[in-house]
Amino acid sequence: QVTLKESGPVLVKPSETLTLTCTVSGFSLSNAGMGVSWIRQPPGKALEWLAHIFSNGEKSYNTSLESRFTISKDTSKSQVALTMTNVEAVDTATYFCARRNTGARDAFDIWGQGTMVTVSS
Amino acid sequence: DIQMTQSPSSLSASVGDRVTLTCRASQSVSSNLNWYQQKPGKAPKLLIYAASTLQSGVPSRFIGSGSGTEFTLTVSSLQPEDFATYFCQHSYSIDGTFGPGTKVDI
Repeated sequence: QVTLKESGPVLVKPSETLTLTCTVSGFSLSNAGMGVSWIRQPPGKALEWLAHIFSNGEKSYNTSLESRFTISKDTSKSQVALTMTNVEAVDTATYFCARRNTGARDAFDIWGQGTMVTVSS
Repeated sequence: DIQMTQSPSSLSASVGDRVTLTCRASQSVSSNLNWYQQKPGKAPKLLIYAASTLQSGVPSRFIGSGSGTEFTLTVSSLQPEDFATYFCQHSYSIDGTFGPGTKVDI
Protein backbone atom coordinates (compact mmCIF):
# COMPACT_ATOMS: atom_id res chain seq x y z
CA GLN A 1 0.00 0.00 0.00
CA VAL A 2 1.36 3.39 -1.01
CA THR A 3 1.15 6.09 1.66
CA LEU A 4 2.59 9.50 2.34
CA LYS A 5 2.55 11.23 5.70
CA GLU A 6 3.51 14.79 6.53
CA SER A 7 5.01 15.88 9.83
CA GLY A 8 6.30 19.11 11.28
CA PRO A 9 5.49 21.93 13.68
CA VAL A 10 1.94 23.09 14.13
CA LEU A 11 2.85 26.64 15.13
CA VAL A 12 5.75 28.79 13.98
CA LYS A 13 6.59 32.44 14.58
CA PRO A 14 6.97 35.01 11.83
CA SER A 15 10.48 35.20 10.34
CA GLU A 16 11.34 31.67 11.53
CA THR A 17 12.35 28.77 9.30
CA LEU A 18 9.85 25.95 8.84
CA THR A 19 10.83 22.42 7.91
CA LEU A 20 8.20 19.84 6.96
CA THR A 21 8.89 16.18 6.32
CA CYS A 22 7.00 13.75 4.10
CA THR A 23 7.60 10.08 4.84
CA VAL A 24 6.58 7.71 2.07
CA SER A 25 5.98 3.99 2.05
CA GLY A 26 5.06 1.46 -0.58
CA PHE A 27 7.38 2.89 -3.20
CA SER A 28 10.93 4.13 -3.49
CA LEU A 29 11.85 7.77 -4.04
CA SER A 30 14.35 6.52 -6.62
CA ASN A 31 11.70 4.74 -8.71
CA ALA A 32 11.68 6.19 -12.20
CA GLY A 33 8.55 8.21 -12.83
CA MET A 34 7.78 8.73 -9.16
CA GLY A 35 8.40 12.21 -7.85
CA VAL A 36 6.99 14.02 -4.84
CA SER A 37 5.55 17.51 -4.68
CA TRP A 38 4.59 19.80 -1.86
CA ILE A 39 1.25 21.57 -2.22
CA ARG A 40 -0.44 23.91 0.23
CA GLN A 41 -3.95 25.14 0.86
CA PRO A 42 -4.71 28.21 2.97
CA PRO A 43 -7.95 27.90 4.97
CA GLY A 44 -10.93 28.02 2.62
CA LYS A 45 -8.78 28.62 -0.43
CA ALA A 46 -7.46 26.77 -3.45
CA LEU A 47 -4.51 24.46 -3.76
CA GLU A 48 -1.09 25.91 -4.60
CA TRP A 49 1.79 23.82 -5.92
CA LEU A 50 5.06 24.73 -4.23
CA ALA A 51 7.90 22.43 -5.26
CA HIS A 52 8.72 19.05 -6.75
CA ILE A 53 11.61 16.63 -6.54
CA PHE A 54 12.09 14.06 -9.28
CA SER A 55 13.28 10.50 -8.85
CA ASN A 56 16.69 11.51 -10.22
CA GLY A 57 17.00 14.30 -7.64
CA GLU A 58 16.22 17.23 -9.92
CA LYS A 59 14.11 19.94 -8.35
CA SER A 60 11.55 22.43 -9.52
CA TYR A 61 9.92 25.34 -7.73
CA ASN A 62 6.90 27.59 -8.14
CA THR A 63 8.50 30.63 -9.76
CA SER A 64 5.57 32.83 -8.73
CA LEU A 65 6.69 32.58 -5.14
CA GLU A 66 9.73 34.13 -3.59
CA SER A 67 12.69 31.77 -3.46
CA ARG A 68 12.08 30.90 0.19
CA PHE A 69 11.51 27.21 -0.47
CA THR A 70 13.97 24.34 -0.63
CA ILE A 71 12.98 20.77 -1.35
CA SER A 72 15.26 17.82 -0.64
CA LYS A 73 15.07 14.10 -0.15
CA ASP A 74 16.75 11.29 1.73
CA THR A 75 16.03 8.19 -0.30
CA SER A 76 17.43 5.86 2.36
CA LYS A 77 14.91 7.23 4.86
CA SER A 78 12.08 7.51 2.29
CA GLN A 79 11.66 11.14 3.22
CA VAL A 80 11.13 14.37 1.33
CA ALA A 81 11.62 17.65 3.16
CA LEU A 82 10.42 21.16 2.46
CA THR A 83 12.16 24.07 4.11
CA MET A 84 10.62 27.51 4.08
CA THR A 85 12.57 30.49 5.36
CA ASN A 86 11.28 33.76 6.81
CA VAL A 87 7.70 32.55 7.21
CA GLU A 88 4.84 35.04 7.27
CA ALA A 89 1.19 34.92 8.31
CA VAL A 90 0.20 34.31 4.68
CA ASP A 91 2.05 30.98 4.88
CA THR A 92 -0.61 29.69 7.27
CA ALA A 93 -2.05 26.71 5.46
CA THR A 94 -2.44 22.96 5.32
CA TYR A 95 0.62 21.50 3.65
CA PHE A 96 0.27 18.31 1.62
CA CYS A 97 2.85 16.12 0.00
CA ALA A 98 1.71 14.13 -3.00
CA ARG A 99 3.16 11.60 -5.42
CA ARG A 100 3.30 12.73 -9.02
CA ASN A 101 3.01 9.65 -11.19
CA THR A 102 4.11 9.66 -14.82
CA GLY A 103 2.01 6.53 -15.23
CA ALA A 104 -1.03 8.70 -14.52
CA ARG A 105 0.05 11.45 -16.90
CA ASP A 106 1.83 13.27 -14.08
CA ALA A 107 -1.26 13.55 -11.91
CA PHE A 108 -1.00 13.52 -8.12
CA ASP A 109 -2.31 10.04 -7.52
CA ILE A 110 -1.54 9.61 -3.84
CA TRP A 111 -1.70 12.35 -1.20
CA GLY A 112 -0.71 12.60 2.41
CA GLN A 113 -3.32 13.56 4.97
CA GLY A 114 -1.88 17.06 5.26
CA THR A 115 -0.44 18.99 8.16
CA MET A 116 -1.84 22.33 9.29
CA VAL A 117 0.73 25.01 9.99
CA THR A 118 -0.12 28.31 11.66
CA VAL A 119 2.25 31.26 11.51
CA SER A 120 1.65 33.53 14.47
CA SER A 121 3.59 35.28 17.19
CA ASP B 1 2.22 30.48 -16.30
CA ILE B 2 -0.95 28.66 -17.30
CA GLN B 3 -3.99 29.90 -15.40
CA MET B 4 -6.95 27.66 -14.65
CA THR B 5 -10.51 28.80 -14.11
CA GLN B 6 -13.54 26.79 -13.05
CA SER B 7 -17.24 27.39 -13.34
CA PRO B 8 -19.51 27.61 -11.57
CA SER B 9 -17.78 28.40 -8.29
CA SER B 10 -20.57 26.58 -6.50
CA LEU B 11 -23.76 24.78 -7.29
CA SER B 12 -26.61 23.20 -5.43
CA ALA B 13 -27.96 19.88 -6.58
CA SER B 14 -29.95 16.91 -5.43
CA VAL B 15 -29.20 13.23 -5.19
CA GLY B 16 -29.71 11.68 -8.60
CA ASP B 17 -29.00 14.89 -10.54
CA ARG B 18 -26.63 15.02 -13.47
CA VAL B 19 -24.16 17.83 -12.99
CA THR B 20 -21.44 19.22 -15.22
CA LEU B 21 -18.46 21.22 -14.04
CA THR B 22 -16.24 23.21 -16.38
CA CYS B 23 -12.54 23.94 -16.28
CA ARG B 24 -10.70 26.25 -18.66
CA ALA B 25 -6.98 26.75 -19.22
CA SER B 26 -5.44 30.04 -20.35
CA GLN B 27 -3.55 28.14 -23.05
CA SER B 28 -3.66 24.65 -24.43
CA VAL B 29 -2.69 21.87 -22.04
CA SER B 30 -3.50 19.19 -24.59
CA SER B 31 -5.12 16.37 -22.61
CA ASN B 32 -2.95 16.91 -19.52
CA LEU B 33 -5.84 17.77 -17.24
CA ASN B 34 -6.74 16.11 -13.96
CA TRP B 35 -9.75 16.28 -11.64
CA TYR B 36 -9.71 15.91 -7.87
CA GLN B 37 -12.42 15.65 -5.25
CA GLN B 38 -11.89 17.13 -1.81
CA LYS B 39 -14.07 16.79 1.26
CA PRO B 40 -13.74 19.07 4.29
CA GLY B 41 -10.65 18.35 6.35
CA LYS B 42 -9.41 15.73 3.90
CA ALA B 43 -6.74 15.54 1.23
CA PRO B 44 -7.78 15.77 -2.41
CA LYS B 45 -8.50 12.50 -4.17
CA LEU B 46 -7.62 11.91 -7.81
CA LEU B 47 -10.72 11.10 -9.85
CA ILE B 48 -9.67 11.49 -13.47
CA TYR B 49 -6.34 12.00 -15.20
CA ALA B 50 -5.41 12.74 -18.78
CA ALA B 51 -8.77 14.50 -19.18
CA SER B 52 -10.86 11.34 -19.41
CA THR B 53 -9.13 8.37 -17.75
CA LEU B 54 -10.85 7.16 -14.62
CA GLN B 55 -8.49 6.56 -11.72
CA SER B 56 -8.65 3.03 -10.35
CA GLY B 57 -11.47 2.57 -7.87
CA VAL B 58 -13.40 5.68 -8.90
CA PRO B 59 -17.06 5.07 -9.81
CA SER B 60 -17.98 5.19 -13.47
CA ARG B 61 -20.53 7.95 -12.86
CA PHE B 62 -17.60 10.38 -13.03
CA ILE B 63 -16.91 11.26 -16.63
CA GLY B 64 -14.21 13.58 -17.89
CA SER B 65 -13.92 15.07 -21.34
CA GLY B 66 -12.23 17.83 -23.28
CA SER B 67 -8.86 18.78 -24.66
CA GLY B 68 -6.88 21.91 -25.36
CA THR B 69 -8.33 24.63 -23.17
CA GLU B 70 -11.80 23.46 -22.22
CA PHE B 71 -12.70 20.49 -20.07
CA THR B 72 -15.71 19.14 -18.26
CA LEU B 73 -16.36 16.78 -15.40
CA THR B 74 -19.80 15.23 -15.40
CA VAL B 75 -21.33 13.28 -12.55
CA SER B 76 -24.08 11.28 -14.18
CA SER B 77 -26.14 10.68 -11.04
CA LEU B 78 -25.08 12.46 -7.89
CA GLN B 79 -24.74 10.29 -4.81
CA PRO B 80 -24.71 11.55 -1.20
CA GLU B 81 -20.97 10.97 -0.96
CA ASP B 82 -20.33 13.18 -4.02
CA PHE B 83 -21.10 16.44 -2.24
CA ALA B 84 -17.63 17.98 -2.10
CA THR B 85 -15.34 20.48 -3.79
CA TYR B 86 -13.86 19.59 -7.15
CA PHE B 87 -10.55 20.97 -8.44
CA CYS B 88 -9.03 20.72 -11.87
CA GLN B 89 -5.27 20.81 -12.37
CA HIS B 90 -3.09 20.77 -15.45
CA SER B 91 0.04 18.63 -15.67
CA TYR B 92 1.21 20.05 -18.98
CA SER B 93 4.26 21.43 -17.22
CA ILE B 94 5.87 20.75 -13.87
CA ASP B 95 4.22 23.80 -12.27
CA GLY B 96 0.78 22.29 -12.66
CA THR B 97 -1.67 24.95 -11.56
CA PHE B 98 -4.91 24.11 -9.81
CA GLY B 99 -8.22 25.75 -10.53
CA PRO B 100 -10.09 27.59 -7.76
CA GLY B 101 -12.59 24.78 -7.32
CA THR B 102 -16.32 24.13 -7.65
CA LYS B 103 -18.23 23.36 -4.49
CA VAL B 104 -21.15 20.99 -4.96
CA ASP B 105 -23.64 21.03 -2.13
CA ILE B 106 -27.14 19.89 -1.44
